Amino acid sequence: KNQVEQSPQSLIILEGKNCTLQCNYTVSPFSNLRWYKQDTGRGPVSLTIMTFSENTKSNGRYTATLDADTKQSSLHITASQLSDSASYICVVRRETGANNLFFGTGTRLTVIP
Amino acid sequence: EAQVTQNPRYLITVTGKKLTVTCSQNMNHEYMSWYRQDPGLGLRQIYYSMNVEVTDKGDVPEGYKVSRKEKRNFPLILESPSPNQTSLYFCASSLSWDRAYNEQFFGPGTRLTVL
Repeated sequence: KNQVEQSPQSLIILEGKNCTLQCNYTVSPFSNLRWYKQDTGRGPVSLTIMTFSENTKSNGRYTATLDADTKQSSLHITASQLSDSASYICVVRRETGANNLFFGTGTRLTVIP
Repeated sequence: EAQVTQNPRYLITVTGKKLTVTCSQNMNHEYMSWYRQDPGLGLRQIYYSMNVEVTDKGDVPEGYKVSRKEKRNFPLILESPSPNQTSLYFCASSLSWDRAYNEQFFGPGTRLTVL
């Protein structure tokens, strides 16, 4: 069964600290994996996309990793800011089929001063 | 500005009263999709459309209808809303469904409450 699981469900950290969010998937055959950031009351916005051949990709203070062998991805946030408070959603695309996007339930991150 | 717009943003209605949530994109995207988002369940796809006049069911299509008469518009219709359709709804679009790296752009969301 194609699934995407994210952990933790929620996380509270102090401003300036780092954190890592996890995404494990069983989607096959794998095409790519995207991390989205969803601010409260807004639609998700793409942060980064990881393909099979990519291990690490950075977007400012966000660094995503992918281990296609173990089917795990992580999103590391460095020097967190209050504006990082949001839900982070992992979306995995399967190579085949029209209905081929699989969504995680997200990690709710709260950064406190 | 390239964007996906949805209207209304907030709606409170009663059981059985037909309603339509509009979605429009100005990016000439072929692929459009509707999702609902519920606490603990994440985003679930309701319907999608690969192009004009081509629509198909997603994971949770019961109680919803869609149409795609024009490329830019993809309205979501609830013929007889029920309280279990109370949710946050998102419309999204991308350039095409078959290009693996196409990003989906999401609208701002419509919060629907059915009493």
